[in-house]
Amino acid sequence: QQQVKQSPQSLIVQKGGISIINCAYENTAFDYFPWYQQFPGKGPALLIAIRPDVSEKKEGRFTISFNKSAKQFSLHIMDSQPGDSATYFCAATTYSGGYQKVTFGTGTKLQVIP
Amino acid sequence: GAGVSQSPSNKVTEKGKDVELRCDPISGHTALYWYRQSLGQGLEFLIYFQGNSAPDKSGLPSDRFSAERTGGSVSTLTIQRTQQEDSAVYLCASSPLGGFGQPQHFGDGTRLSIL
Repeated sequence: QQQVKQSPQSLIVQKGGISIINCAYENTAFDYFPWYQQFPGKGPALLIAIRPDVSEKKEGRFTISFNKSAKQFSLHIMDSQPGDSATYFCAATTYSGGYQKVTFGTGTKLQVIP
Repeated sequence: GAGVSQSPSNKVTEKGKDVELRCDPISGHTALYWYRQSLGQGLEFLIYFQGNSAPDKSGLPSDRFSAERTGGSVSTLTIQRTQQEDSAVYLCASSPLGGFGQPQHFGDGTRLSIL
């Protein structure tokens, strides 16, 4: 019930194209949905996040779409660039007992080719 | 300002040895988390600290794993009698209070290899 399922495992996109990564969850107690970006040899860094009462959030070329009834959310990267090549993790959090617990998806390795 | 610092960045040791991994969180961050990232896998939660106490140790995989935090700052993760399946990247993250919607700031991890 605590799992977050992420797909695809890997993705190759042409420069300028749209990258789409999908995630699904079961636990309706999740109350916050961040995405993290990780470059090789580095720790993950927060990219963008959404609350479940919002259906879409856009920050620059990055957009999260959220479907609460389907318990699915996705990351869209518009005009993908080679510098976007990284591993992307979706996550879902619960806040209880006074702290935030984060459950991560298994990651999507994105390669943007020139 | 300084981010989360982890040391060593790489550690190679023989099976059966003990290892200590260190995390220096961002100054003033009271919440500290340890995760394990195996090759091609997501991040597996290990333990959470609020100040010096650990209200959630549910992710520690066995009693060979332990962690402590002193002075509300530095934390060490200790693995005793290491096994080959312990090979992974161990990541530390901190956040101001661990509260709702607060992002976690990650270090670059310690890559642990057990021979």
